[in-house]
Amino acid sequence: DAKTTQPTSMDCAEGRAANLPCNHSTISGNEYVYWYRQIHSQGPQYIIHGLKNNETNEMASLIITEDRKSSTLILPHATLRDTAVYYCIVRGLYNNNDMRFGAGTRLTVKP
Amino acid sequence: NAGVTQTPKFQVLKTGQSMTLQCAQDMNHNSMYWYRQDPGMGLRLIYYSASEGTTDKGEVPNGYNVSRLNKREFSLRLESAAPSQTSVYFCASSHISYEQYFGPGTRLTVT
Repeated sequence: DAKTTQPTSMDCAEGRAANLPCNHSTISGNEYVYWYRQIHSQGPQYIIHGLKNNETNEMASLIITEDRKSSTLILPHATLRDTAVYYCIVRGLYNNNDMRFGAGTRLTVKP
Repeated sequence: NAGVTQTPKFQVLKTGQSMTLQCAQDMNHNSMYWYRQDPGMGLRLIYYSASEGTTDKGEVPNGYNVSRLNKREFSLRLESAAPSQTSVYFCASSHISYEQYFGPGTRLTVT
């Protein structure tokens, strides 16, 4: 599976949008971009995934560049409860046994 | 639905002791997984089971054995614990290729 690069940490003001970037320049055509988050040592929580079109659900939006080499997870109105480590993972749709969690981005939402 | 449950929540072992970590899911998922997470790092896959009756090695299988007891339960066994196995262990399940659901974790210390 493709390797991803994320910033180590980011801050965001409460109520503002949090934009978390991820680079995956070696992504192949059949690989999806997944985002998970881990709040304070709990088990990771699925957020969203996409192939090439932008995706939105009740938690977040995922913007994937046209060349698919990078993506951005957007939390539209960050709250203190969104403070967590966010993982960007690239894998084939049927490669659920190869979820490569890197170190992720530690997002701190500040009042 | 309880989702994914793990027992015990905490465990302290002496070097050389054995133990089994239990995991159960009530979502009728086919696939189950065991991960470990060391401090400041992402999760690494130990073993997975794509379906009842099958198991396969992940990224870091050495020192572990697994049993897929039935569709609901997937256990992880340490036959002779070592300090290097001090970690947080997460179990997860998924329906084939969809997102994974994680348990709350077992915090294991080997002295």
